[in-house]
Amino acid sequence: DQQVKQNSPSLSVQEGRISILNCDYTNSMFDYFLWYKKYPAEGPTFLISISSIKDKNEDGRFTVFLNKSAKHLSLHIVPSQPGDSAVYFCAASAEYGNKLVFGAGTILRVKS
Amino acid sequence: NAGVMQNPRHLVRRRGQEARLRCSPMKGHSHVYWYRQLPEEGLKFMVYLQKENIIDESGMPKERFSAEFPKEGPSILRIQQVVRGDSAAYFCASSPLVQGDEKLFFGSGTQLSVL
Repeated sequence: DQQVKQNSPSLSVQEGRISILNCDYTNSMFDYFLWYKKYPAEGPTFLISISSIKDKNEDGRFTVFLNKSAKHLSLHIVPSQPGDSAVYFCAASAEYGNKLVFGAGTILRVKS
Repeated sequence: NAGVMQNPRHLVRRRGQEARLRCSPMKGHSHVYWYRQLPEEGLKFMVYLQKENIIDESGMPKERFSAEFPKEGPSILRIQQVVRGDSAAYFCASSPLVQGDEKLFFGSGTQLSVL
């Protein structure tokens, strides 16, 4: 039962262009959403988050959009840089203090 | 300002042996989570602990796996009688659990290989 789905296993983008990573969820009780970035042989590092009371959160080159009616969120990276190449995980939480449920990840490759 | 510390980074065990994975949370964090990542998959929740308490173990296999977070010392994930299917990356995360900020801070993981 995949409650959080990242349907694109990989994405390739040219340096300087926008990267858009997508995530869908099924559990309507989720109220907090996060994106993590992971390099090989390292643990995931927090990137950006959004609460269900918002529909957009921005931090520098990274913006997360939340569409609650569609149960969809996306991460925009602009401009994309080669150092952004990593695996990106979408995660969601249904309750304060509860566990995070992760998607399977999307491999982003930014070509220079 | 040390992050979440996990050791060992790599652990090789033969089938039937025991594996012990250790995790020290970030300073000031009293909540620890264990996740497992199988090849080509995302992170799967295993267990959530506070000091001396297991809060949620809904992701733990019913047999051979146990976890603890004692009053003193690191959290331990113990796998008894390991099998090849236990080979995976095991990540520990900690949180200060501040309401409205539920992000977890992850360690670098322990890569368990079962021969």
